[in-house]
Amino acid sequence: EAGVTQFPSHSVIEKGQTVTLRCDPISGHDNLYWYRRVMGKEIKFLLHFVKESKQDESGMPNNRFLAERTGGTYSTLKVQPAELEDSGVYFCASSQGRGGSTYEQYFGPGTRLTVT
Amino acid sequence: AQSVSQHNHHVILSEAASLELGCNYSYGGTVNLFWYVQYPGQHLQLLLKYFSGDPLVKGIKGFEAEFIKSKFSFNLRKPSVQWSDTAEYFCAVNGNSGNTPLVFGKGTRLSVIA
Repeated sequence: EAGVTQFPSHSVIEKGQTVTLRCDPISGHDNLYWYRRVMGKEIKFLLHFVKESKQDESGMPNNRFLAERTGGTYSTLKVQPAELEDSGVYFCASSQGRGGSTYEQYFGPGTRLTVT
Repeated sequence: AQSVSQHNHHVILSEAASLELGCNYSYGGTVNLFWYVQYPGQHLQLLLKYFSGDPLVKGIKGFEAEFIKSKFSFNLRKPSVQWSDTAEYFCAVNGNSGNTPLVFGKGTRLSVIA
């Protein structure tokens, strides 16, 4: 079974540019989460999809961040325009979410975003 | 406010030493508790989890953790560490309903030296 994949693994952009991160969850996982880790700090929640619907986007820092999940499959996270403080590692996780151990969240390798 | 506190930022141990990493949480209601590990160059993977039942849970690679509800703690232990345990360890919590975001601690970096 393929795990959660993320693309790109690393992105370096200039302040003011746009970047789009992609996450492919494990097939059949309805729940998809985005998290971010800024250097030296804890991994923080950004938002949660259930299928194609945004269940919780309380962690999104501001309206420069836009997340979508087309058809309930892969998800994209766009940052436009990027600011220096957006630098960090963006993690995606997915879970089946149908009770018991299916709540376990499986993480992708992360995308390291560097804004210069 | 929901939060997780990991007491140690960086722990350095010799091989065969015993390990205990502290984790305390603040979260309303019934919780699920997790320890994740990130080995160098790899992605986060689940070490062990507590949903309900026996508060002493065993995970992969000889790790275990004990949920002490009265202390809001979920400390990670291993009786004898190996060089390959060098990694960053994250404690996390979410609500018992399951499909809720994880709240993470800041992580503890473990370095095991020969």
